[in-house]
Amino acid sequence: AQTVTQSQPEMSVQEAETVTLSCTYDTSENNYYLFWYKQPPSRQMILVIRQEAYKQQNATENRFSVNFQKAAKSFSLKISDSQLGDTAMYFCAFTWAGSYQLTFGKGTKLSVIP
Amino acid sequence: SQTIHQWPATLVQPVGSPLSLECTVEGTSNPNLYWYRQAAGRGLQLLFYSVGIGQISSEVPQNLSASRPQDRQFILSSKKLLLSDSGFYLCAWSETSGGAQETQYFGPGTRLLVL
Repeated sequence: AQTVTQSQPEMSVQEAETVTLSCTYDTSENNYYLFWYKQPPSRQMILVIRQEAYKQQNATENRFSVNFQKAAKSFSLKISDSQLGDTAMYFCAFTWAGSYQLTFGKGTKLSVIP
Repeated sequence: SQTIHQWPATLVQPVGSPLSLECTVEGTSNPNLYWYRQAAGRGLQLLFYSVGIGQISSEVPQNLSASRPQDRQFILSSKKLLLSDSGFYLCAWSETSGGAQETQYFGPGTRLLVL
């Protein structure tokens, strides 16, 4: 069975600072994909960043980047220059090639403090 | 560009009443479609997915059902709601080819409260 673990239920960061959210996963699959989704108070789930397991290069999207450690099965999200609009729940998610199942972690509640 | 719509945004229903939630996708053809439920303080649970018109796969047995009458329309239904059906319902879509089928994009969701 595939599992996704987010060990930080809540975190806070000062505006303009950098924060890292942790995620670990467990799988026996070789061809898989990892995601970070953001869920603001509106509750719409928004895709932040995507990483293919076969790519060694860490994905980046503007202020968001990941540290993908395949051997350690770790997939952390770094948010640089944090903004008030980054306040949200962040979910780590996993799927594998050919699957329709997207497995989510329990989420980390991030608060950006002015 | 692709957009996904859900309605209604909020719904309050009595126990035992029927339910119909609708999801439509624009800007793509033959997408994979998904229904998720998010209970308060919990992660997302996949309820149903569909790879084509009339093709529905159920992940969790319950009193809910799903239908796909048109290519880009996905409906979640119930004949008789239970209190435990309360939650936040999210529809999602993904491509079916081109190497991007693993990425799911979510709609704005429907808040359902069963009283």
